[in-house]
Amino acid sequence: DQQVKQNSPSLSVQEGRISILNCDYTNSMFDYFLWYKKYPAEGPTFLISISSIKDKNEDGRFTVFLNKSAKHLSLHIVPSQPGDSAVYFCAAKLTYSGAGSYQLTFGKGTKLSVIP
Amino acid sequence: DVKVTQSSRYLVKRTGEKVFLECVQDMDHENMFWYRQDPGLGLRLIYFSYDVKMKEKGDIPEGYSVSREKKERFSLILESASTNQTSMYLCASRVGGTSSYEQYFGPGTRLTVT
Repeated sequence: DQQVKQNSPSLSVQEGRISILNCDYTNSMFDYFLWYKKYPAEGPTFLISISSIKDKNEDGRFTVFLNKSAKHLSLHIVPSQPGDSAVYFCAAKLTYSGAGSYQLTFGKGTKLSVIP
Repeated sequence: DVKVTQSSRYLVKRTGEKVFLECVQDMDHENMFWYRQDPGLGLRLIYFSYDVKMKEKGDIPEGYSVSREKKERFSLILESASTNQTSMYLCASRVGGTSSYEQYFGPGTRLTVT
């Protein structure tokens, strides 16, 4: 059962416009969320994160919004640039302590293409 | 900068071979992880280790084992490689405790089993 879902496998956006990547989760015990970016033939790199006690976190062109009641988060990239073209993964961490708390559960990813 | 290195970028092995994938991190991180990435399936956790000599199964441990004899090194072992283990393998590490949950990834090893 997939607990972190990225329902859009791909997204195309014009350069300079806003990119919005979405992520839904089913487990209300997730308390921390991260976004990763992955280029082909490279490992994922951390982009931005948000704790469940917040509803927004911003870092430069990247903003993550969290709607706990809807179990939904989104990543906004403004303005989008061709170098942002990559696969974006949403990840979530469970609340409980113990060995399990170190794990992240990843979505399947959304491939973003920014068209010049 | 955190650096996570993996022993090979590309590897081709035959069915039934024993395969070792090595991962080394240079930031004294307590936790280390092995994932595999397949098209349409995202990143799936195979095993992780929260300390030296400690290991925990992830979501898909079958057919794999791990070893962590030193803090900086985490090895993934395919006991008898099969074609369905053809995949991109990613190693990651993170600092222990609750200060940060961010994981740092290596460049990946593309393993092909023929």
